Amino acid sequence: NAGVTQTPKFRVLKTGQSMTLLCAQDMNHEYMYWYRQDPGMGLRLIHYSVGEGTTAKGEVPDGYNVSRLKKQNFLLGLESAAPSQTSVYFCASSRNPNRDRDEQYFGPGTRLTVT
Amino acid sequence: GESVGLHLPTLSVQEGDNSIINCAYSNSASDYFIWYKQESGKGPQFIIDIRSNMDKRQGQRVTVLLNKTVKHLSLQIAATQPGDSAVYFCAEKNQAGTALIFGKGTTLSVSS
Repeated sequence: NAGVTQTPKFRVLKTGQSMTLLCAQDMNHEYMYWYRQDPGMGLRLIHYSVGEGTTAKGEVPDGYNVSRLKKQNFLLGLESAAPSQTSVYFCASSRNPNRDRDEQYFGPGTRLTVT
Repeated sequence: GESVGLHLPTLSVQEGDNSIINCAYSNSASDYFIWYKQESGKGPQFIIDIRSNMDKRQGQRVTVLLNKTVKHLSLQIAATQPGDSAVYFCAEKNQAGTALIFGKGTTLSVSS
């Protein structure tokens, strides 16, 4: 199993450009998440999905949109990139957070720079 | 509100010593906590978790202690090794039970 994969690994955007980050998991997990991580900070939840076709806002959703058209994929979109969105983005998935163990499996991250 | 935090941003230990990383949380209703390890350039990896009906849980070389009275949990690493050098995050389940809230992290540096 590949686990959680993210595409691309690195990207540089100019202010105002748009892009989509792709997350894929092959563990048949119901839940998927997008986080951002800034220097000296923990991970902050952007959006998450509790199943195919559903999405919900996290702690810092502004400026981002997501879609979960297929169970194994979770896309994060930036419609008009801003320098404040320079960050490392992590995708994660889990079986079901209401189970006894809610281990989230993380991807390797995407480093995004907006100039 | 919901928040988790760690007492110290950095911790330096000698190889072979025991390490203790602390974390405080604010939501007294939290019932699930988890520790992650993040090595440089990688995504976080699960270490150990604990539910609020437990005070202690042990894994391989790691122990998590939960003190609900003072809303504090700690991660103990026995016989710390250079490979343990990483950033350690504690996290708690959010009020809706649908996601995790992460603390800012403690950087553990192990010197040999």
